[in-house]
Amino acid sequence: DTGVSQNPRHKITKRGQNVTFRCDPISEHNRLYWYRQTLGQGPEFLTYFQNEAQLEKSRLLSDRFSAERPKGSFSTLEIQRTEQGDSAMYLCASSSGTTFDYEQYFGPGTRLTVT
Amino acid sequence: DAKTTQPNSMESNEEEPVHLPCNHSTISGTDYIHWYRQLPSQGPEYVIHGLTSNVNNRMASLAIAEDRKSSTLILHRATLRDAAVYYCILRDADNYGQNFVFGPGTRLSVLP
Repeated sequence: DTGVSQNPRHKITKRGQNVTFRCDPISEHNRLYWYRQTLGQGPEFLTYFQNEAQLEKSRLLSDRFSAERPKGSFSTLEIQRTEQGDSAMYLCASSSGTTFDYEQYFGPGTRLTVT
Repeated sequence: DAKTTQPNSMESNEEEPVHLPCNHSTISGTDYIHWYRQLPSQGPEYVIHGLTSNVNNRMASLAIAEDRKSSTLILHRATLRDAAVYYCILRDADNYGQNFVFGPGTRLSVLP
């Protein structure tokens, strides 16, 4: 257990529905990352927060995806109008990021299945 | 970030050393070499990182070639728990705060 928690662990939804995932980082960590991982591939970066500011978004993050980190604590990732191609593991990571953060702590992920 | 290449899979016997190679021929002078691993049904976890010199920690050792175009992660005595996908990642020290770029990694199987 890295101290990063994600909920729910599994989500099955029908195409076209909206889903929201939550990530609770390690409490003193000011940086939070979202990644997506499909079967047989390494994680792909989606977006990054420093405190409550969203500083970077990948081109993978279409306008159906939105992420927030109110008050710089937990974060949510929402996918609107889900598509079958959104089926993946969604991973959250956090780091202290005081200088060069060589170590990101990953949560266990939320596995999304879109039927 | 510069690209790395790793074998798709490797096998090892339990309690034997394992050498996991990584090629990064286009590495720049400010790129750190990171290794993460991902156990089944878990998120990735940090293993080790280095810049130029060889590095040791409780989990593994990292041997970096003198020209830095390749590196090797060494697990001194593989256990069944070390069966995982191992990712070699380059990250520019001048871009701290940026994301990691994971490749497909090397799937390590450990045989009892």
